[in-house]
Amino acid sequence: DTAVSQTPKYLVTQMGNDKSIKCEQNLGHDTMYWYKQDSKKFLKIMFSYNNKELIINETVPNRFSPKSPDKAHLNLHINSLELGDSAVYFCASSQDPGMNTEAFFGQGTRLTVV
Amino acid sequence: KQEVTQIPAALSVPEGENLVLNCSFTDSAIYNLQWFRQDPGKGLTSLLLIQSSQREQTSGRLNASLDKSSGRSTLYIAASQPGDSATYLCAVTGTDSWGKLQFGAGTQVVVTP
Repeated sequence: DTAVSQTPKYLVTQMGNDKSIKCEQNLGHDTMYWYKQDSKKFLKIMFSYNNKELIINETVPNRFSPKSPDKAHLNLHINSLELGDSAVYFCASSQDPGMNTEAFFGQGTRLTVV
Repeated sequence: KQEVTQIPAALSVPEGENLVLNCSFTDSAIYNLQWFRQDPGKGLTSLLLIQSSQREQTSGRLNASLDKSSGRSTLYIAASQPGDSATYLCAVTGTDSWGKLQFGAGTQVVVTP
């Protein structure tokens, strides 16, 4: 039973399109995150939500908009896709954003913009 | 600003040898340090979590130590196997970072039969 699941696993799309990536966790965690892994394999945080409230918003273009309909879901919507958005996007969750922060990751969504 | 460094960037060992992976961080104000494994084209698997008050954690052939004052952690993998080939990432959670994981660039490990 997958703890953190993301869909789709692969996404190939043209420049200028709008796309969404969905994430769901069944761990009962309060906090969810989106990370981006670039071509050099470096992982950086993009957003974090705690109990559906945005708590971290790193310097990400406003074309990226996270949405958390409930504690178990955190979706990522990307408008007007650009070539530089090509990367692997990981969703993660943890019990809370404080001391109980063991993070569990989804399998990633490889986004390719052509 | 927290910076996490992993040395070496790549490591190749023959099967059966012990692996030693190093992680250093610049700000000791952390809640915990976590070691992950990433296989090519796959997600991250959590291996060990060490709370800031702990000195080490063990799971099977894996042992991770933490010296918070000197900003260092070491992951030991005993009696390596070809299946241990992967990229190993360490990440710290700062006390003022709202759960944000600060990752190192990883150490790519190849264990040859």
